[in-house]
Amino acid sequence: QQQVKQSPQSLIVQKGGISIINCAYENTAFDYFPWYQQFPGKGPALLIAIRPDVSEKKEGRFTISFNKSAKQFSLHIMDSQPGDSATYFCAASSQETSGSRLTFGEGTQLTVNP
Amino acid sequence: NAGVTQTPKFRILKIGQSMTLQCTQDMNHNYMYWYRQDPGMGLKLIYYSVGAGITDKGEVPNGYNVSRSTTEDFPLRLELAAPSQTSVYFCASTEPLAGKFFGPGTRLTVL
Repeated sequence: QQQVKQSPQSLIVQKGGISIINCAYENTAFDYFPWYQQFPGKGPALLIAIRPDVSEKKEGRFTISFNKSAKQFSLHIMDSQPGDSATYFCAASSQETSGSRLTFGEGTQLTVNP
Repeated sequence: NAGVTQTPKFRILKIGQSMTLQCTQDMNHNYMYWYRQDPGMGLKLIYYSVGAGITDKGEVPNGYNVSRSTTEDFPLRLELAAPSQTSVYFCASTEPLAGKFFGPGTRLTVL
């Protein structure tokens, strides 16, 4: 059962533009929503994360927007740069789940053209 | 801190062979995980551990085994390798509800 659905699968943005990646979840027990960035040949790295007690979190050019009622959250990359070209994964976990196991979305391959 | 280290980086196995993927972390994290990542797909949890001596199955445990004798090490064992196990394997560690630290991965091909 796919519990976290991510879209789009791929995204091409011009330098300076805004990249938006969306995720939707089913399990209302989820209470931690991180985004990971992965470059080719590397492991995923935590980019930014949010908990459901806030609707938005911003770190530099990266912002997570969270809509609890719609069970959706999104990553916005402002002023996108070619160096942002990578695969982005959303994920979710619950305190109730043994081991804080993350459920991952299927990933979005972002290409930022110069 | 080296973080999470994995060995080997690459490996080619023949069908039916076995091998152990090594994972070590130096952050004293209690929680450790093994994921596999197939091309164009997200990460699927194979096994995880919440502390030394405690392991449990994830989403896709068949064909794999793990052990956790120390806090630092969490090896993943493949018995009777099959082509379906061709993938990139990532080890990760964390403390509860914190960001996970991933290793660089092991790229495994089974021919």
